[in-house]
Amino acid sequence: DIQMTQSPSSLSASVGDRVTITCRASQTISSSLNWYQHKPGKAPKVLIYFASSLQSGVPSRFSGSGSGTDFTLTISSLQPEDFATYYCQQSYSTPRTFGQGTKVEIK
Amino acid sequence: QLQLQESGPGLVKPSETLSLTCNVSGGSISSSNYYWGWIRQPPGKGLDWIGSIHYTGSTYYNPSLKSRVTISVDTSKNQFSLKLNSVTAADTAVYYCARATSGGPNDYWGQGTLVTVSS
Repeated sequence: DIQMTQSPSSLSASVGDRVTITCRASQTISSSLNWYQHKPGKAPKVLIYFASSLQSGVPSRFSGSGSGTDFTLTISSLQPEDFATYYCQQSYSTPRTFGQGTKVEIK
Repeated sequence: QLQLQESGPGLVKPSETLSLTCNVSGGSISSSNYYWGWIRQPPGKGLDWIGSIHYTGSTYYNPSLKSRVTISVDTSKNQFSLKLNSVTAADTAVYYCARATSGGPNDYWGQGTLVTVSS
């Protein structure tokens, strides 16, 4: 199985801050990397697919980059509705493993 | 607009079989471009990929669950199902059904259903 490691596990930030979350794969996954936002009581929502493609309807303050084994999700200016847990997932091979999650909290 | 909805018992006894169904509406499950899968989240933990199925019947399972899990599809009813046998308390989780594109993300999800394993 491909292991996905996110960092940090949690972070505190203020509205307007630039936030960066990283995800590392245990082996190369090309650009087969997705980012999800998950809020309590809701289904996860895809933000970014194929490492850097913005899902339709997702605000442009979200962006993704990387290829191979190292990937980044950036929120350029954190908004109140962005406080949530974020997960990366590789779709290179099955099982389609997720990172352990990064909880973004209000400072 | 595609919609997915999970259904099934919310309480299952230890050693019994967990059975869930995902009904797909607003689109056909019989599309060559998509896979239909199950993902779970135990309380206080992260997301865990269980497995997926193509409408042709090809299945892909997480090796950690492979000996206990079966995913099936019923194209006539536009739905797919999950069976997990010999459950323990560790299988208590919110179970989501979701659509995946080939090599891409899970782009549509059900709302999730909590299944508790307890006597």
